[in-house]
Amino acid sequence: ETGVTQTPRHLVMGMTNKKSLKCEQHLGHNAMYWYKQSAKKPLELMFVYSLEERVENNSVPSRFSPECPNSSHLFLHLHTLQPEDSALYLCASSPGLTPEKLFFGSGTQLSVL
Amino acid sequence: AQKVTQAQTEISVVEKEDVTLDCVYETRDTTYYLFWYKQPPSGELVFLIRRNSFDEQNEISGRYSWNFQKSTSSFNFTITASQVVDSAVYFCALSEAEYNAGNMLTFGGGTRLMVKP
Repeated sequence: ETGVTQTPRHLVMGMTNKKSLKCEQHLGHNAMYWYKQSAKKPLELMFVYSLEERVENNSVPSRFSPECPNSSHLFLHLHTLQPEDSALYLCASSPGLTPEKLFFGSGTQLSVL
Repeated sequence: AQKVTQAQTEISVVEKEDVTLDCVYETRDTTYYLFWYKQPPSGELVFLIRRNSFDEQNEISGRYSWNFQKSTSSFNFTITASQVVDSAVYFCALSEAEYNAGNMLTFGGGTRLMVKP
């Protein structure tokens, strides 16, 4: 069993759909992250949560809405996305917020039609 | 602002060859951390190493070695006697230690390594 689990692995949605990505970590970590990996850009940090509170939001469009109900779960709610939002969305966790190794999930490959 | 450059977008080698992946970084901080991650085809990034800016000793872990040169702002990664299982995308990343939100990694664009049998 991997430490960080993401579902679904693949998602295809239309621009008017609403969907959610789920991330669960089994490592007892206090911090969780959403990263976006698209074909033409380096990995981009989207959101950071520490102890269920958002500590960073890197100017992400409001069509992406994160939710962290507890320290083990992180969601990314999607609505009215654009084709350029197609990317691999990676969740990660770490024990705390100091610069230390991140544990990543396998990602959700999102295609927006 | 911090920046990480991996000039090699793709490298192809034959098994058992040695290969070096380059990483050059920019930061105004005197205290920072450098990382390497491996992304196999399965998608998840796997941590390989973390090095802080005050420790310039080179490190070796099995077939992997890292050369940190502060004078040239480089943190290069060498795989000795490469194997097919080393085929992956490798990312270099930088984190400024003073950032209070923590773990604000800036990633390079990645280098895709293909090791052919």
